[in-house]
Formats: sequence, structure tokens, C-alpha cells
Amino acid sequence: GQQLNQSPQSMFIQEGEDVSMNCTSSSIFNTWLWYKQDPGEGPVLLIALYKAGELTSNGRLTAQFGITRKDSFLNISASIPSDVGIYFCAGLSPRLSSNTGKLIFGQGTTLQVKP
Amino acid sequence: DAGVTQSPTHLIKTRGQQVTLRCSPISGHKSVSWYQQVLGQGPQFIFQYYEKEERGRGNFPDRFSARQFPNYSSELNVNALLLGDSALYLCASSWDGSRNQPQHFGDGTRLSIL
Repeated sequence: GQQLNQSPQSMFIQEGEDVSMNCTSSSIFNTWLWYKQDPGEGPVLLIALYKAGELTSNGRLTAQFGITRKDSFLNISASIPSDVGIYFCAGLSPRLSSNTGKLIFGQGTTLQVKP
Repeated sequence: DAGVTQSPTHLIKTRGQQVTLRCSPISGHKSVSWYQQVLGQGPQFIFQYYEKEERGRGNFPDRFSARQFPNYSSELNVNALLLGDSALYLCASSWDGSRNQPQHFGDGTRLSIL
């Protein structure tokens, strides 16, 4: 079954709007990563989080490691057309990753931005 | 600096054939992981290698195998190809594969099985 629930599945927004997406799990994670994937390319790392409660920014992007260690969110402020793509959350879970580098991925959020 | 490089970029095979995919990690990275991404889904973990040793294996059949070479590059082999093996195969590298070292992905090999 699905181990990381990512929502929303897709978003269609106006340029300039803020965007929020999140990932939740029933298992504890000790690392959360956010990636963006454009068509025909591999995922590109946006933000990495390593501590519960950690809030990290990368330009217009902000992500947080949930205090319960079972969730994370990503915010994009003032969206622009080049933000279009698929955003994936991924993480390492002591139980689900079995102490390996096995990243567990969400299903992805497809973002479309209308100019 | 060069990122993770994968070859070939595209490949077409028929059922029953065998395929070898190649990956060169970011310079200085000693851990390589392989993922399979089918259309519309997130990547699924296949293998992780560190210092030429297998560190982890995902829920894939024995038709899938991999190895890592002394220069830390890696190959993924798939035997007896099935239609369901059609996917984007991604390679990711990190310094040592630990949780504090994020994995960086290549652009993948698109494998199509006819």
C-alpha cells in the first residue's frame, strides 16, 4: 500500500499565487527531501530536512519537517511559469527504509501555472 | 561539476531480452542507488551500493541485478525483460548513502519493451 500520501495530486493556479503541498505517513521519518521533476528529466533536489521542526528556505521555496516526524510541507511563494512540473516528497524512514538509503516517494503533485 | 550521468538515454528492447544500464555518480560520491519510475508514479527503490557492496535491495525479482565498480560507477542489469519493465530507470548518487547526505538523480534511461 501507499506509504507516503502526497496532496494535492494536482494544482492549477494563476501566476503570482502561493502554493502549498504536503506529505503524510503513518511511519516516522528521519529525513525529508523535496524534489521537482520536469518532463524527460530526473528529479532535482529542492530542499533537504533532517530534524523535526526544521524550517528551511531556498529562494521562494520553504519546507518544514513536521514535529511529529510523520509529515512535511512545501510552500512556493509568488509562483512563476517555470514552477510548472511535478513535485515529489521523499524520505528515509527507520522502519520503511530498513536503515538503508531507500528513499520512499510520494505520488507527486503536478503543478500548472497560468500566466 | 558534472552531475549524475546515465547511458543510454533511451532504449527499446523486446520481451525476453536482457539490458544493461550504466551510471556515473557525481565526482566524490561513493554511493549509488537505482530506482524505477513508471509513468504517473514516484520512483521505486531497486538497489543501493556503497563501496562496491550492496547495502539495500527493494522488492524486485531476481531478474534485476546490479554492481558497482572501483571507480564507483554502476550497472543495472535486467534479464528476461517483461512488458511491465517499461519505465524510466533513475540512478542517484550521494557521498556515503547515509541519511544526512541527500541523493542526487540523473536524467534516467527510458526503457521501452515491445
